[in-house]
Amino acid sequence: GAVVSQHPSRVICKSGTSVKIECRSLDFQATTMFWYRQFPKQSLMLMATSNEGSKATYEQGVEKDKFLINHASLTLSTLTVTSAHPEDSSFYICSAKEVGETQYFGPGTRLLVL
Amino acid sequence: GQSLEQPSEVTAVEGAIVQINCTYQTSGFYGLSWYQQHDGGAPTFLSYNALDGLEETGRFSSFLSRSDSYGYLLLQELQMKDSASYFCAVYYGGATNKLIFGTGTLLAVQP
Repeated sequence: GAVVSQHPSRVICKSGTSVKIECRSLDFQATTMFWYRQFPKQSLMLMATSNEGSKATYEQGVEKDKFLINHASLTLSTLTVTSAHPEDSSFYICSAKEVGETQYFGPGTRLLVL
Repeated sequence: GQSLEQPSEVTAVEGAIVQINCTYQTSGFYGLSWYQQHDGGAPTFLSYNALDGLEETGRFSSFLSRSDSYGYLLLQELQMKDSASYFCAVYYGGATNKLIFGTGTLLAVQP
């Protein structure tokens, strides 16, 4: 099956710094990638949809200047959390989609902002 | 807006059958999916209903009724490893291709 990886798997940073999370589709070309955030014991909340080569589409209430998304190639999307604060601590999950309807999810990145 | 409601927790014993319900207030979606997520892991795809009715995949079955705005996941012959969170999700195809997830159900399987 299709494999999606994320790096890093967990990261700890100081408040005010920026953190970049990578999402890669390892064995397929992902024309669309998605970024989700999940707080403990809660559901996955879609943050944004990114299509290769174009600007990301953000869901209502998600600050696009704070969560920078780049999808520069068919196998890589990055999420940068700028000026991170403790309330940004969460589990960030990406998914990637090739032709068809199934999204394949990455293993997630756990961010802790001190 | 979109909302998909699920029971927050369900407990069942090994070998039993359990049904996890999903009621939704949304429209215009292509189908209803179900995902399993173990603690700290990635969601894994279980089942998808594009049409009303029952879809069976091994021990898992999923049902959709658009007229009732309702679906469910049925797990048979429960095993300890089935203890996890389960999410329904509506799939919006077309230009958005979005998945919007339900509130999630934590299933605890007891010996």
